[in-house]
Amino acid sequence: SAVISQKPSRDICQRGTSLTIQCQVDSQVTMMFWYRQQPGQSLTLIATANQGSEATYESGFVIDKFPISRPNLTFSTLTVSNMSPEDSSIYLCSVETGRRSYNEQFFGPGTRLTVL
Amino acid sequence: GQQLNQSPQSMFIQEGEDVSMNCTSSSIFNTWLWYKQDPGEGPVLLIALYKAGELTSNGRLTAQFGITRKDSFLNISASIPSDVGIYFCYGQIGGKLIFGQGTELSVKP
Repeated sequence: SAVISQKPSRDICQRGTSLTIQCQVDSQVTMMFWYRQQPGQSLTLIATANQGSEATYESGFVIDKFPISRPNLTFSTLTVSNMSPEDSSIYLCSVETGRRSYNEQFFGPGTRLTVL
Repeated sequence: GQQLNQSPQSMFIQEGEDVSMNCTSSSIFNTWLWYKQDPGEGPVLLIALYKAGELTSNGRLTAQFGITRKDSFLNISASIPSDVGIYFCYGQIGGKLIFGQGTELSVKP
């Protein structure tokens, strides 16, 4: 498994501003993922972030709105840009440890974002 | 698009009772994972299934990968109050990773 931390754990932001969320892993991992969990909903994958390449975004998510950095194998950031109340969600990062061919992912504790 | 249908959406049970929840899809999945999410936390992996028909246990939890590869169930035996939370199935199909809608479990002591 992997130990994952996120900062901040929660924030309240004003409409039109941007927030950068940090994700730190205690070991080097190839694949990191960013998810959004809207209130009372399931998790939706925003993008996959691999070190040394551009992030791959899922349908409905664009780089201008959710720019992602992946400067090394233990760290990533997700920015929520030009926020509106509809962006109020929990944002979670996860990592794949690669022990198997498929996708055993381990999640951070999440960042709870409220946009006023 | 591909979807996972998870049921039931919520359950209210008495401590000691057994619980069963499942996920189904019209598509064939390569992997089924089951996660639990406590309030204010990220999901925690409970069980991973990789082969059709695979039956795996983790303590009081048992999960199976359906023979048709289109479904999976999770059973919890002799529930206890700390089983409270939201349980998600999570499947991989053609490189896409999809979460079910979640089953919210409440346990009355």
